[in-house]
Amino acid sequence: NAGVMQNPRHLVRRRGQEARLRCSPMKGHSHVYWYRQLPEEGLKFMVYLQKENIIDESGMPKERFSAEFPKEGPSILRIQQVVRGDSAAYFCASSPRETYEQYFGPGTRLTVT
Amino acid sequence: AQSVTQPDIHITVSEGASLELRCNYSYGATPYLFWYVQSPGQGLQLLLKYFSGDTLVQGIKGFEAEFKRSQSSFNLRKPSVHWSDAAEYFCAVGDEGGRRALTFGSGTRLQVQP
Repeated sequence: NAGVMQNPRHLVRRRGQEARLRCSPMKGHSHVYWYRQLPEEGLKFMVYLQKENIIDESGMPKERFSAEFPKEGPSILRIQQVVRGDSAAYFCASSPRETYEQYFGPGTRLTVT
Repeated sequence: AQSVTQPDIHITVSEGASLELRCNYSYGATPYLFWYVQSPGQGLQLLLKYFSGDTLVQGIKGFEAEFKRSQSSFNLRKPSVHWSDAAEYFCAVGDEGGRRALTFGSGTRLQVQP
């Protein structure tokens, strides 16, 4: 019974490049949440998606960030033209329905050089 | 808007000693409350949750937490700490707006001395 999978676990990008972070939810889960953890801080909500729908993106930066959860395949968090301030750990969580009880993946640690 | 405060950034206890990690929240209605643990380089593991009912909730790994509405607190406790409990602990509250997001505190880092 695999948990939430995220890849890559570590990602290094130069300023201006694009970063793509992938999240495969637990089997049977159709709800995905993305959170960002800056160094020495707690997690901050970014976006909540269901299959083929963005339900709430109120935590997403207005520019350069986008997310999708297609009918088939993993959820993708995409960061265009990365800057040093994007360096953080990005966590994905999933749930079987709309609920606060979410199961977290191991995270992707993005470093922008 | 809701918020979560964990006033202790860093706590050190001796192995076998008792532990209490503090969490205060700001929330308009009855909150949904959670404690998560994060080991270095790892994701978050749910320790316990409070939705309603008994204000003393039991979790995994011997942890418990008590919801005190009058104090807006949800402190995490363990009677006897093990070296493997060294980690970062996060308190979280379910978003008041109903979007099912979690609002996290800034975390308490626990060190365990032998």
